[in-house]
Amino acid sequence: NAGVTQTPKFQVLKTGQSMTLQCAQDMNHNSMYWYRQDPGMGLRLIYYSASEGTTDKGEVPNGYNVSRLNKREFSLRLESAAPSQTSVYFCASSDWSEQYFGPGTRLTVT
Amino acid sequence: AQTVTQSQPEMSVQEAETVTLSCTYDTSESDYYLFWYKQPPSRQMILVIRQEAYKQQNATENRFSVNFQKAAKSFSLKISDSQLGDAAMYFCAYHKVKTSYDKVIFGPGTSLSVIP
Repeated sequence: NAGVTQTPKFQVLKTGQSMTLQCAQDMNHNSMYWYRQDPGMGLRLIYYSASEGTTDKGEVPNGYNVSRLNKREFSLRLESAAPSQTSVYFCASSDWSEQYFGPGTRLTVT
Repeated sequence: AQTVTQSQPEMSVQEAETVTLSCTYDTSESDYYLFWYKQPPSRQMILVIRQEAYKQQNATENRFSVNFQKAAKSFSLKISDSQLGDAAMYFCAYHKVKTSYDKVIFGPGTSLSVIP
């Protein structure tokens, strides 16, 4: 039982490059989330998915797209990376009782 | 819209002493969950304690306890007998229940240092 897994753990991109962050959970949760964490700002919700086949914008969706591929997987795509997207990204899934987080991806855009 | 505020960006405590981290929130709902999450330097987010709003009794988990004041919309975390391993960022979070989705609102965090 791996919980929530994220790949990659670290990534450096040049401005304008694209990439996809992968997330998978093995807890059979319906809800999945992508957050970014910046110093002094806590966790900000980018997108979430209440169930397979549905996605909704969170607080800071601009510059990102998501895909809920199936119940297990929820990916986050940066189509044209910008320095403002330098951050730590967390994927999470939840049941009614708590959120379960992946280990995070540290992304640097130069 | 719901908001969560943590007014203490940084706190410090002597090892073995007690410290209280503050959290206030704003909501018009009557039924919800509140959480404290810990994020050590490893970056992993760990659930510390959970409180259900309909329960009047304050939640406790070993050395961690909360003071939940529903009318005041206050949810503080008390850490007793502080240990070096308690040094971390602590996030207060709010979760609205009975919705078609599970959106959690996080506060900005409090960085706790433990002094040996």
